[in-house]
Amino acid sequence: DQQVKQNSPSLSVQEGRISILNCDYTNSMFDYFLWYKKYPAEGPTFLISISSIKDKNEDGRFTVFLNKSAKHLSLHIVPSQPGDSAVYFCAAIGSGGSNYKLTFGKGTLLTVNP
Amino acid sequence: EAQVTQNPRYLITVTGKKLTVTCSQNMNHEYMSWYRQDPGLGLRQIYYSMNVEVTDKGDVPEGYKVSRKEKRNFPLILESPSPNQTSLYFCASSPFLPNRGNANVLTFGAGSRLTVL
Repeated sequence: DQQVKQNSPSLSVQEGRISILNCDYTNSMFDYFLWYKKYPAEGPTFLISISSIKDKNEDGRFTVFLNKSAKHLSLHIVPSQPGDSAVYFCAAIGSGGSNYKLTFGKGTLLTVNP
Repeated sequence: EAQVTQNPRYLITVTGKKLTVTCSQNMNHEYMSWYRQDPGLGLRQIYYSMNVEVTDKGDVPEGYKVSRKEKRNFPLILESPSPNQTSLYFCASSPFLPNRGNANVLTFGAGSRLTVL
């Protein structure tokens, strides 16, 4: 059962426009969410995170929004740049108990066209 | 430079021939983990380790073994590789156990692409 879902395998946007990547989760025990970015031939790198006590976290051009009631989060990139072209993974974790792992979505390939 | 190093980066092998993918981190991290990435399936955890001599299964542990004899090293062992283990493998580490809030950022290695014929 997939607990973290990224339903869009790919997304294409024009340079300078907004990119919105979506992620849904089913496990109500998740209370911390992260986005990782992956370029070809490299390992994923951490991008931005959000705790469930917040509904928004901003870092430069990147903003993550969390809607707990809908179990949905989104990553906004404004403005999008060609260097943002990569696969973006959403990940989630529950604090406490014996939850010692991140659960990843399948990823969304973002292409930013010049 | 703080990093997670995996070797080999690329390997083609045959069914049944035992192989080990090494992973080493120089950040004194407690937590280490192995993932495999497959098309349409994303990143799936194979095994993880919370500290020396403490390991546990992830989501897809079948066909793999791990050991954590030293804090910095976490090798992935395929005793008898099969074609369904053809995949891109990532080792990752983090300072603390991933359920400690903001300290659970994983640092990934560059990946090891394994092909089993």
